[in-house]
Amino acid sequence: DIQMTQSPSSMSASLGDTVTITCLASQDIGNYLSWYQQKPGKSPKLMIYGATNLEDGVPSRFSGSRSGSDYSLTINSLGYDDEGIYHCHQYYEYPLTFGSGTKLEIK
Amino acid sequence: EVQLVESGGGLVQPGRSMKLSCAASGFTFNNYDMAWVCQAPKKGLEWVATISYDGSSTYYRDSVKGRFTISRDNAKSTLYLQMDSLRSEDTATYYCARHGWYFDFWGPGTMVTVSS
Repeated sequence: DIQMTQSPSSMSASLGDTVTITCLASQDIGNYLSWYQQKPGKSPKLMIYGATNLEDGVPSRFSGSRSGSDYSLTINSLGYDDEGIYHCHQYYEYPLTFGSGTKLEIK
Repeated sequence: EVQLVESGGGLVQPGRSMKLSCAASGFTFNNYDMAWVCQAPKKGLEWVATISYDGSSTYYRDSVKGRFTISRDNAKSTLYLQMDSLRSEDTATYYCARHGWYFDFWGPGTMVTVSS
């Protein structure tokens, strides 16, 4: 199975900051990587797909990048609405797997 | 507007069965693969199963193979998850998701608690 090692597990940042969350894939997954935002008590929301493509309606403050097997989600100009848990997900092969999640708190 | 609404969750004893449903609307259901994804309390997301757009192919995570069955009724735009021989570790919120390559729409989820 492909392991997705996500870091950090939690982080706290201030309004207006820029933060980066990363996922390391245990084997090659190409660009078959997506990112989801999950608010407390809600279902996940697709933010990024194909490692770098912004889902319709997602603010341009969000961006995805890839360097080898390292995938990153960057959020610029943090706002209170960005608080939540972020999950990475590989859809290169079955079984489909997710990272362990990053809890983002806005100070 | 795409809508997915799960139902059928609740409290069930270990070893018993439960069937979840997911009613879909706002898109052409029989054009899309569909999936179930679960999340144990305070834990991460876990893919459970996927079914192809026409029901001809199914895929499962190892821990549910032989116990869970994913199915669909395209005439009713409904996805199902039959869960047999339930275990305490199956306790989770179960989400129905539209599965293109990735999961682009999710339902609000239904909670399944396996406990005596």
